[in-house]
Amino acid sequence: DAGVTQSPTHLIKTRGQQVTLRCSPKSGHDTVSWYQQALGQGPQFIFQYYEEEERQRGNFPDRFSGHQFPNYSSELNVNALLLGDSALYLCASSLFWDRVTGGELFFGEGSRLTVL
Amino acid sequence: DAKTTQPPSMDCAEGRAANLPCNHSTISGNEYVYWYRQIHSQGPQYIIHGLKNNETNEMASLIITEDRKSSTLILPHATLRDTAVYYCIVRVGTSGGSNYKLTFGKGTLLTVNP
Repeated sequence: DAGVTQSPTHLIKTRGQQVTLRCSPKSGHDTVSWYQQALGQGPQFIFQYYEEEERQRGNFPDRFSGHQFPNYSSELNVNALLLGDSALYLCASSLFWDRVTGGELFFGEGSRLTVL
Repeated sequence: DAKTTQPPSMDCAEGRAANLPCNHSTISGNEYVYWYRQIHSQGPQYIIHGLKNNETNEMASLIITEDRKSSTLILPHATLRDTAVYYCIVRVGTSGGSNYKLTFGKGTLLTVNP
């Protein structure tokens, strides 16, 4: 049973460029959330996708956008990259209507983005 | 979601119990306490959660005080592989799909020493 997979694992971009990160949720999950983790900080919620729609959004600018596909996989796009966007980007999957478990999130290993 | 307070770091000897405290004095009646951990360079991993009763699973035990203003995560026999940042998170209950946002603080860095 594959867990949450993310790609790429590492990437380097320059200021002003655009980046796309990809996530495949754990088998059986239908909801994907994205988090940004700066060095030395806890992860910060960016947004959540379910049924191909953004359901919740954290305090992030519109430069951060996402998409969910019919197979539940998801992409995170960041436009006009800033140095401050350098971080570990984590994808987490879950089941939207989870009445069995505690609704815990399953996280991937993350994509490490460095902006120069 | 209620704010939590955790010590920035703790040490524990291998084989001994690790007791990680968390204060959540503003917790509401419908908010659960969740614990996650993050081993270096990996994604966070769910450990355990509870509402008001003590909980135990194969990884840990969770003790919640009667007034629910604090809790303790207990790793009964810590190993070197338990060295990680442990996050205590409080969030609204698990029903429905609108409650999956987790608000992470800085957590507690637990170092298990040989």
